[in-house]
Amino acid sequence: EAQVTQNPRYLITVTGKKLTVTCSQNMNHEYMSWYRQDPGLGLRQIYYSMNVEVTDKGDVPEGYKVSRKEKRNFPLILESPSPNQTSLYFCASSLRAGEETQYFGPGTRLLVL
Amino acid sequence: QKEVEQDPGPLSVPEGAIVSLNCTYSNSAFQYFMWYRQYSRKGPELLMYTYSSGNKEDGRFTAQVDKSSKYISLFIRDSQPSDSATYLCAMSRTGANNLFFGTGTRLTVIP
Repeated sequence: EAQVTQNPRYLITVTGKKLTVTCSQNMNHEYMSWYRQDPGLGLRQIYYSMNVEVTDKGDVPEGYKVSRKEKRNFPLILESPSPNQTSLYFCASSLRAGEETQYFGPGTRLLVL
Repeated sequence: QKEVEQDPGPLSVPEGAIVSLNCTYSNSAFQYFMWYRQYSRKGPELLMYTYSSGNKEDGRFTAQVDKSSKYISLFIRDSQPSDSATYLCAMSRTGANNLFFGTGTRLTVIP
């Protein structure tokens, strides 16, 4: 089944404790991205990747890192999480940048205490 | 001013009603317009995609774009309880990447 998977789905952590949210797609997509979804603000793009080893900042990149060493994986790294990073995070992928269809993962709900 | 404005609702309609969902935007460079549907505890899924102005129909769903007014709409005919979800508009200058989303409208269709 073609899909985008994220792990973990739910995570509670404390301020300053480094964490990684994994994202993987099995569709051989070149383009992958991370969004956060907050009430009243909607979905905002954090980082995106056009292909392996090519990443760039989205609209709200502060406090996040990403890497794209393999085509299928695009992990999101929070080096020192803070409470304002409490949010619902979505990974998405599409065949290429500019492709009309982005496939979203199921989401990761993060609470930073 | 936000790039994309969308009434958050909530919106409740009886089964069979016609639903109208709307977004306005401020950036005249937007060329690609999309509607996503998001069920509770799920990721968004693409429902409709339109390039530039005009109408697009897919079954019970019709998307309209009026670039002169910077206004887009999604109409749902013969609404069903299974249509109950949050509907997100999204738009871009360059396609599916670098999307600007509305905040979403929560719709409930009552049997």
